[in-house]
Amino acid sequence: DAGVTQSPTHLIKTRGQQVTLRCSPKSGHDTVSWYQQALGQGPQFIFQYYEEEERQRGNFPDRFSGHQFPNYSSELNVNALLLGDSALYLCASSSLVTGTRGTQYFGPGTRLLVL
Amino acid sequence: GQQVMQIPQYQHVQEGEDFTTYCNSSTTLSNIQWYKQRPGGHPVFLIQLVKSGEVKKQKRLTFQFGEAKKNSSLHITATQTTDVGTYFCAGPEEYGNKLVFGAGTILRVKS
Repeated sequence: DAGVTQSPTHLIKTRGQQVTLRCSPKSGHDTVSWYQQALGQGPQFIFQYYEEEERQRGNFPDRFSGHQFPNYSSELNVNALLLGDSALYLCASSSLVTGTRGTQYFGPGTRLLVL
Repeated sequence: GQQVMQIPQYQHVQEGEDFTTYCNSSTTLSNIQWYKQRPGGHPVFLIQLVKSGEVKKQKRLTFQFGEAKKNSSLHITATQTTDVGTYFCAGPEEYGNKLVFGAGTILRVKS
């Protein structure tokens, strides 16, 4: 039973570029949440997807957008990259139907460096 | 908005000593969750507490949820080098499903 997978593992971009990160949830999970973890901080909620729609959004600008596909996998897109976007991007999956509220399983993350 | 605070920010202990990290929420929580993140790794779910005053144990780890469901603690007995990492508490937002994380407590164990 595969856990949460993310790709790529590492990425280097320059300011102004655009990036797409990918996530496949744990088998049986239908909900994907994205978090940004800056160095030395706790994960910060970006948004959550369920049934291919954005259900909830944190305090992130519109440069951050996402998508969920019918197979529950998800993408995170960031446009016009800033130096401050350098962080570990974590995908977390859960089940709204069967899971206890809030319990989430994290993938290994994508480390993004913006130069 | 909801805030979750953790103390201490950092603790360095001698192997075999005990360790405790404390978590406080600005709002009452439906549940509290604890995660461990090893250096260079990602957060790994440890446990979830739901009931007021609940205490759960996992080997040398003891987790406690306060009576008011606004605070929690994680206590490690006789630390080992494998306990090294950052311990985060997190609670779901009052309305919605997003998790609000504390800033974490970094544990270093000296052998």
